[in-house]
Amino acid sequence: DAKTTQPNSMESNEEEPVHLPCNHSTISGTDYIHWYRQLPSQGPEYVIHGLTSNVNNRMASLAIAEDRKSSTLILHRATLRDAAVYYCILRPFNFGNEKLTFGTGTRLTIIP
Amino acid sequence: SAVISQKPSRDICQRGTSLTIQCQVDSQVTMMFWYRQQPGQSLTLIATANQGSEATYESGFVIDKFPISRPNLTFSTLTVSNLSPEDSSIYLCSVISLGGTEAFFGQGTRLTVV
Repeated sequence: DAKTTQPNSMESNEEEPVHLPCNHSTISGTDYIHWYRQLPSQGPEYVIHGLTSNVNNRMASLAIAEDRKSSTLILHRATLRDAAVYYCILRPFNFGNEKLTFGTGTRLTIIP
Repeated sequence: SAVISQKPSRDICQRGTSLTIQCQVDSQVTMMFWYRQQPGQSLTLIATANQGSEATYESGFVIDKFPISRPNLTFSTLTVSNLSPEDSSIYLCSVISLGGTEAFFGQGTRLTVV
């Protein structure tokens, strides 16, 4: 499986935008970029995913580099509830290979 | 979407005993996954539970230690056998809905072995 690299931790002030980077230089053409987050004492939850184009949803935006070797999860206005561990995961688009391989993730701390 | 009910939410077990964790989903799903999250660590996939066939285990995990059942499309159990303190972890069930791309997770079972 292709690997991802994320900073171990980041801090951001409340109500400011947050940019969470992820490097995936060995990404293959069929790998989707998925982001999940794990709030304290909870199971992970889906945030967003994309293949080549930038994506937006109600939770966040995903900016994907033109060469797909990196991506950035953008929280437009961080709140205290966004404090979590954020995981960037590459998932091949193959039926029967839906498993998720978690890396170490980025622990995001929101400063009030 | 899928809602997962995982039981028990936590347990304290004696070493040498076993714990069976149940995972109930509110809709039919093709694949169910069991993860382990050791204290302060990320999630590690234990196995994929397929309905009607043997589970597929990841490297480092064996059926004798982590037997899995998958009797139907909405239910699975994971047993952690012959418990030792090193098995103290959070165990999580996960599913992907039929035709979906998003994975859903249970709240986890926090196991402490004493």
